[in-house]
Amino acid sequence: DVKVTQSSRYLVKRTGEKVFLECVQDMDHENMFWYRQDPGLGLRLIYFSYDVKMKEKGDIPEGYSVSREKKERFSLILESASTNQTSMYLCASRNRVTGELFFGEGSRLTVL
Amino acid sequence: AQSVTQLDSQVPVFEEAPVELRCNYSSSVSVYLFWYVQYPNQGLQLLLKYLSGSTLVKGINGFEAEFNKSQTSFHLRKPSVHISDTAEYFCAVSEGGDAGNMLTFGGGTRLMVKP
Repeated sequence: DVKVTQSSRYLVKRTGEKVFLECVQDMDHENMFWYRQDPGLGLRLIYFSYDVKMKEKGDIPEGYSVSREKKERFSLILESASTNQTSMYLCASRNRVTGELFFGEGSRLTVL
Repeated sequence: AQSVTQLDSQVPVFEEAPVELRCNYSSSVSVYLFWYVQYPNQGLQLLLKYLSGSTLVKGINGFEAEFNKSQTSFHLRKPSVHISDTAEYFCAVSEGGDAGNMLTFGGGTRLMVKP
């Protein structure tokens, strides 16, 4: 069973803390993505990666960075968390042939 | 740039009734089309996809969708819903007929099935 695994389902952090969200996929996909999901705003793309050590900004990259040191792992980093980053974060990897995205279970982050 | 519109943010329906969730997109080129479902506190999973061929696509859990190129629509239907279908549904489009292109998502439709 193919899988995208996000390391933390629920996190609570304080303003100014550094936050790491980890994502691992077992499908040997080259492309991986980080989205955030907020009520009324749908899914918004933060960053994506076409391949190892490659990264591209999405629609809302401000306040975030990413790391892709290995093909299976794509990390989202909040250098200094702020309350407006309280959200659901979704990682996905893509099948390049069909375009289908495979999503993780999501990480719900609360910043106090 | 392409855009995807899901006209209904919420759709309440009684159990065993039929349902249609609407999706329209704007694109002047060929497209690949997807419907995803998100159950509470979970990630998105694929319901069905249209890449080519028959415009009527069948997916999991009894859902189907029809691609209408002239109306640039990809509406999702189910003839008889269950309580367990309560979830949020997202339509998505990739442009140019290249599955490697980025997916654009609609804003989502919350389906609420009542007993």
